[in-house]
Amino acid sequence: RKEVEQDPGPFNVPEGATVAFNCTYSNSASQSFFWYRQDCRKEPKLLMSVYSSGNEDGRFTAQLNRASQYISLLIRDSKLSDSATYLCVVNGVTGGGADGLTFGKGTHLIIQP
Amino acid sequence: NAGVTQTPKFQVLKTGQSMTLQCAQDMNHEYMSWYRQDPGMGLRLIHYSVGAGITDQGEVPNGYNVSRSTTEDFPLRLLSAAPSQTSVYFCASSYSVRGSYEQYFGPGTRLTVT
Repeated sequence: RKEVEQDPGPFNVPEGATVAFNCTYSNSASQSFFWYRQDCRKEPKLLMSVYSSGNEDGRFTAQLNRASQYISLLIRDSKLSDSATYLCVVNGVTGGGADGLTFGKGTHLIIQP
Repeated sequence: NAGVTQTPKFQVLKTGQSMTLQCAQDMNHEYMSWYRQDPGMGLRLIHYSVGAGITDQGEVPNGYNVSRSTTEDFPLRLLSAAPSQTSVYFCASSYSVRGSYEQYFGPGTRLTVT
C-alpha cells in the first residue's frame, strides 16, 4: 500500500523564523510530488510542485531526496498568514492522474506573533 | 473563471436518505475526482473520471455513484446515507503539467448524516 507520512505537528514558530518539515513516501516508483496548503475549513490549494532539482518560489523552497524517499518544504521569514496545514502529495503512477495520488495527513503550522 | 464549484456547502441528511452533491468546473480539465476528508485521515479518493463518459472507482467507492455526461459536470450520488458518510467532500479537477497532474479543489460540501 502506498503511504505518505508527515509529522502532524503542530509546529509553533515565531513570526520571522525559518521552519522546515519533511514528508516520507514508501513507493520508490513515485514520479511526481506536491505540497498543498489547506486553511481551516477550506479546500486544499496547490502551493508548489516539487522537482528533482529542487525549486523555490519566493520564501518557499521544496526539495526532493529520491535516495531517502522524502520531500521537504522550507519556509523562510515566516508570516502570520503562513499558518495552515501543509499536505504532502505523491503520485506513484507515471503519468497517472487522481488515481495515483496519495495524500499525507498534513502538518499543522502555527506562526505566533 | 469560477474554477471548481460545489453545491451545497452544507447538508444534513437522515440515515437512508439519498442525495446528489454537485460539482462543476469551467477550466476544460479532463480529469475530475471526488474525495472525502475525515479528521485524522488524509484525503481519500472516492471516484474519478478521466473524461466524459468514463468513470472509475477510487479507494473508498462503496455507497457512492458518479456519472460524467459532460466535461464540466461530475455529480456524486449518495445512494442511502449512513452516519459513516458524515464527512467533508471535495471535488477536484486536474490537467497534465509535464506528465503530472495538479489538482484544483472546490470549496467542499460538509455533510452530516444523523
